[in-house]
Amino acid sequence: NAGVTQTPKFRILKIGQSMTLQCTQDMNHNYMYWYRQDPGMGLKLIYYSVGAGITDKGEVPNGYNVSRSTTEDFPLRLELAAPSQTSVYFCASSSTSGKETQYFGPGTRLLVL
Amino acid sequence: AQSVTQPDIHITVSEGASLELRCNYSYGATPYLFWYVQSPGQGLQLLLKYFSGDTLVQGIKGFEAEFKRSQSSFNLRKPSVHWSDAAEYFCAVGGSSNTGKLIFGQGTTLQVKP
Repeated sequence: NAGVTQTPKFRILKIGQSMTLQCTQDMNHNYMYWYRQDPGMGLKLIYYSVGAGITDKGEVPNGYNVSRSTTEDFPLRLELAAPSQTSVYFCASSSTSGKETQYFGPGTRLLVL
Repeated sequence: AQSVTQPDIHITVSEGASLELRCNYSYGATPYLFWYVQSPGQGLQLLLKYFSGDTLVQGIKGFEAEFKRSQSSFNLRKPSVHWSDAAEYFCAVGGSSNTGKLIFGQGTTLQVKP
């Protein structure tokens, strides 16, 4: 199993551009999550999904959108990129909620200039 | 409010020395507690977790953590640190809700001196 894969690994965006961060998992997990990691701030939850067709906001959803049309994929869309969205983005998945381990992808480093 | 605090931003220990990383949490319900490790340029990997039972839990790579409800703490320990343990360590808290959402601490960066 590849686990959780993310593309791209690194991207530079200009202010106002849009892009989609891709996330795919091959573990048949129902739960998927998007986090952003800023230096000294830990990880903040952006959006999460408890199954195909079901998504909900996390702690810091503004400026982002998600969709979950399949169990495997959970893309994160950035509309009108801003410098405040410069961060490292991690996707994670788990089989169920609560006690279950979240498995993380390698991350996407995004720089908005 | 639910929160996790890791008081130590950066810790340096000598190889072979013991290690303790502190974690304090604030959570209204029964907490599920996790420690994750992040090596440079990598995603996070679970070290150990606690949700009930014995308050001393064992994890991978020789790590252990002790849940102390009275102190709202879940400190991570290792008796003898190896150079490969240099990484960033995150404590996280979740609950029995059906969302699986976690709240992460700010992280502690561990440097190991030879």
